[in-house]
Amino acid sequence: EPEVTQTPSHQVTQMGQEVILRCVPISNHLYFYWYRQILGQKVEFLVSFYNNEISEKSEIFDDQFSVERPDGSNFTLKIRSTKLEDSAMYFCASSPQGLAGGPDTQYFGPGTRLTVL
Amino acid sequence: LAKTTQPISMDSYEGQEVNITCSHNNIATNDYITWYQQFPSQGPRFIIQGYKTKVTNEVASLFIPADRKSSTLSLPRVSLSDTAVYYCLVSGGFKTIFGAGTRLFVKA
Repeated sequence: EPEVTQTPSHQVTQMGQEVILRCVPISNHLYFYWYRQILGQKVEFLVSFYNNEISEKSEIFDDQFSVERPDGSNFTLKIRSTKLEDSAMYFCASSPQGLAGGPDTQYFGPGTRLTVL
Repeated sequence: LAKTTQPISMDSYEGQEVNITCSHNNIATNDYITWYQQFPSQGPRFIIQGYKTKVTNEVASLFIPADRKSSTLSLPRVSLSDTAVYYCLVSGGFKTIFGAGTRLFVKA
C-alpha cells in the first residue's frame, strides 16, 4: 500500500538555525499539506498546497515558514530562524483530490520530530 | 469552517462497542464528515467518512442523522490496540481544522 514518507524522523537544531523537513507524498496525489503537533496538544493545520502554490494557510504559517515542491516527488517545509516554540511533530499529508472537490481522504506521514535547543 | 465538539475522553473494556459522538451544528451543505485515529507519536490515520445516513467499512460505522448536526463513530468490539485519540473533522475548502479529539482508553 502506498504511503507518505518523511525525513528525517528526528531533527535537532539550535535556535536561530534553518531547517528543511522533507516529505514524499503518495505518487498520484495532487494536494499536499503540512501540520504540526506540539507535544500533548492537538494537530494544527499549517498549509495546503496545490498546483505549485499555496491554497490555504493558517495564522501559524507566517514569514518564518515556506513550502516548496522542488521536483515531482518531494514536498518540503522550510522553517527559517527556528525558535524554541517550533519544537513539535510535523506531519505531512497528501490527498488525491483535495477537500474542495468533495469527499477527500488525507494520508499522513509518520512525522518529523523537531527539537529546537 | 464548522466547529466540532467531542467528549474529551472515554473509557471502555475490551470486546465492547464504543460510540463517540461529535457535534457540528454549523456544518455546511457541501461538507463531509471524516474521522481519524491517532496513536502516540504517529500521524493521524483515516478511519471513515460520510455525508449522510450510515456508512460502514471493515473498521467502523458512521451514523449521521438527517440534520447532519452531529455524527457518531461506532467501533465494534474494541481491543486494547484501539486505545488512541479519535478526531472528528468537518471538511470544507483546503483548510483542515482538528479539534481536541476524544481520547479513548480501552481496558482489559
